[in-house]
Amino acid sequence: AQKITQTQPGMFVQEKEAVTLDCTYDTSDPSYGLFWYKQPSSGEMIFLIYQGSYDQQNATEGRYSLNFQKARKSANLVISASQLGDSAMYFCAMREMQAGTALIFGKGTTLSVSS
Amino acid sequence: DAGITQSPRHKVTETGTPVTLRCHQTENHRYMYWYRQDPGHGLRLIHYSYGVKDTDKGEVSDGYSVSRSKTEDFLLTLESATSSQTSVYFCAIRGLADGELFFGEGSRLTVL
Repeated sequence: AQKITQTQPGMFVQEKEAVTLDCTYDTSDPSYGLFWYKQPSSGEMIFLIYQGSYDQQNATEGRYSLNFQKARKSANLVISASQLGDSAMYFCAMREMQAGTALIFGKGTTLSVSS
Repeated sequence: DAGITQSPRHKVTETGTPVTLRCHQTENHRYMYWYRQDPGHGLRLIHYSYGVKDTDKGEVSDGYSVSRSKTEDFLLTLESATSSQTSVYFCAIRGLADGELFFGEGSRLTVL
């Protein structure tokens, strides 16, 4: 079974609009962390945001926020006021504390922002 | 800038030849990782290291070996490259704050 599921292979949004990228996860570990990464066409992996399983509030970093719904096991990334430079592949990832330090990645969602 | 350098950045080789990819970090971090990225698969863990001479297998370790003789260097070796190992390989180190990984720029390997 997949640990991280990203069901949207591609998403399209216009500049200045908000967009939500979906991520669901599967774990029985009560302690875990959730991460989002951005990969532009140049190929580098850029860390965006982190949410711990015990964090009471949703994480935010500038225009990025993580909509964490623990009971639903979802960790959606919300990008407010999209910009052309947001066009990229986005990966959701999880680290289970009992399993070690490596991250497990989803298959990614390609976001295209148009003017 | 997380201080991670991968070499070579691009390599084309033939089936059956040995290949070594190098990851060098300047951050003195304990944990280092090798992932491969393939279309439709995201990133998958090959091997990781939790210290000098301490390594362990990941999800897709078959056909790969690693070595870490110094804190700063983590080597990934394909003893006999196959076409299925054509991929982009990423090295990463673990951050100290929340355990986020910081990645190198990637090494694109083509096995003909």
